[in-house]
Amino acid sequence: EPEVTQTPSHQVTQMGQEVILRCVPISNHLYFYWYRQILGQKVEFLVSFYNNEISEKSEIFDDQFSVERPDGSNFTLKIRSTKLEDSAMYFCASSLGENTEAFFGQGTRLTVV
Amino acid sequence: AQSVTQPDIHITVSEGASLELRCNYSYGATPYLFWYVQSPGQGLQLLLKYFSGDTLVQGIKGFEAEFKRSQSSFNLRKPSVHWSDAAEYFCAVGPREYGNKLVFGAGTILRVKS
Repeated sequence: EPEVTQTPSHQVTQMGQEVILRCVPISNHLYFYWYRQILGQKVEFLVSFYNNEISEKSEIFDDQFSVERPDGSNFTLKIRSTKLEDSAMYFCASSLGENTEAFFGQGTRLTVV
Repeated sequence: AQSVTQPDIHITVSEGASLELRCNYSYGATPYLFWYVQSPGQGLQLLLKYFSGDTLVQGIKGFEAEFKRSQSSFNLRKPSVHWSDAAEYFCAVGPREYGNKLVFGAGTILRVKS
């Protein structure tokens, strides 16, 4: 069964460093998303991406964040200068259409020290 | 603003017993509705969804959910719980104009007693 794959499963980075989280969406999907879950809090929408551009973003997704689809298979989330409060589980998701169900990856746990 | 409330943080049921997890939402119109499950170390797996039509929807693993517009609820049920159902369950809503900008509830952790 096709699935969304995220790497790494766990990343530790120093405050102020840049980090790139990677995702391989399901191959025929066209819409891509990032969500995050800070420990003990709700899963929150960050951004959606379609046709090589951001289609929606939340207020969390500020200038420190960027997304990219560098090739036909990968979808990345970059945090330019990490802060302690960026520590969270980051989930990538993809969907075939705008209003079809999203399939989530297993998440990358980011720890900023 | 949209919100999702899952009033039970933890629920413990005996194996073989029935289960109902509650979900209420606040939204201007009828949204798309979802239940996801997360087992330890795993991602979010879609259990079922409601887009339109029959208000009782069937999902995977023997789960079902009923959409009640008058109560703004979308409760998840299972007639007989198995030990492997122990996990965290999330209710989520998405706007019809852009279904996948999901708003999640806080989750309910299900423990199953043998």
